[in-house]
Amino acid sequence: NAGVTQTPKFQVLKTGQSMTLQCAQDMNHEYMSWYRQDPGMGLRLIHYSVGAGITDQGEVPNGYNVSRSTTEDFPLRLLSAAPSQTSVYFCASSYLGSGPQHFGDGTRLSIL
Amino acid sequence: RKEVEQDPGPFNVPEGATVAFNCTYSNSASQSFFWYRQDCRKEPKLLMSVYSSGNEDGRFTAQLNRASQYISLLIRDSKLSDSATYLCVVTLPTEYGNKLVFGAGTILRVKS
Repeated sequence: NAGVTQTPKFQVLKTGQSMTLQCAQDMNHEYMSWYRQDPGMGLRLIHYSVGAGITDQGEVPNGYNVSRSTTEDFPLRLLSAAPSQTSVYFCASSYLGSGPQHFGDGTRLSIL
Repeated sequence: RKEVEQDPGPFNVPEGATVAFNCTYSNSASQSFFWYRQDCRKEPKLLMSVYSSGNEDGRFTAQLNRASQYISLLIRDSKLSDSATYLCVVTLPTEYGNKLVFGAGTILRVKS
């Protein structure tokens, strides 16, 4: 059972670089979401999607783009990386937006 | 006011103690509630859903008070392995359905 798969697990970027964090789930879940977690803080919602073609902003969307062309995939794009985006990023999915979420292992991102 | 608020703790308790956490939420339209557990630098994992009538799973009991807009988690006979951060999760209605929002977490340290 793959569940929710995030890649890469670790990444170091230079300020101004762009990159895409990948998230894939094989549970046919409609709801997918991206969170960031900073030291001593909880998970903050970046973007979420309730199904293919539908995305919406969360609490901290600035500097990030998402798209949802398929049910399985929900990539998160950093357009121009900034040191403030150094964080641990978690992707999660659930059958519905009202259901319990399954999390990926996280991506640890450092921006120098 | 934050959408979901928790006492960050830490709660330092001896083994065998009973400890309770509360979580308040601001949107009366919230319908689904969960407690998650997160170990250091790991992904959050579902501990239990919270039902209107209250529910119990072994040493863990969750309660929901809609009138006062809070949920609680009671842990009886604390074990060393219960040491973790406990995250309260609430669904919030949006124009696209629901989104899930996390509290910042409550740290529990169980000591021998």
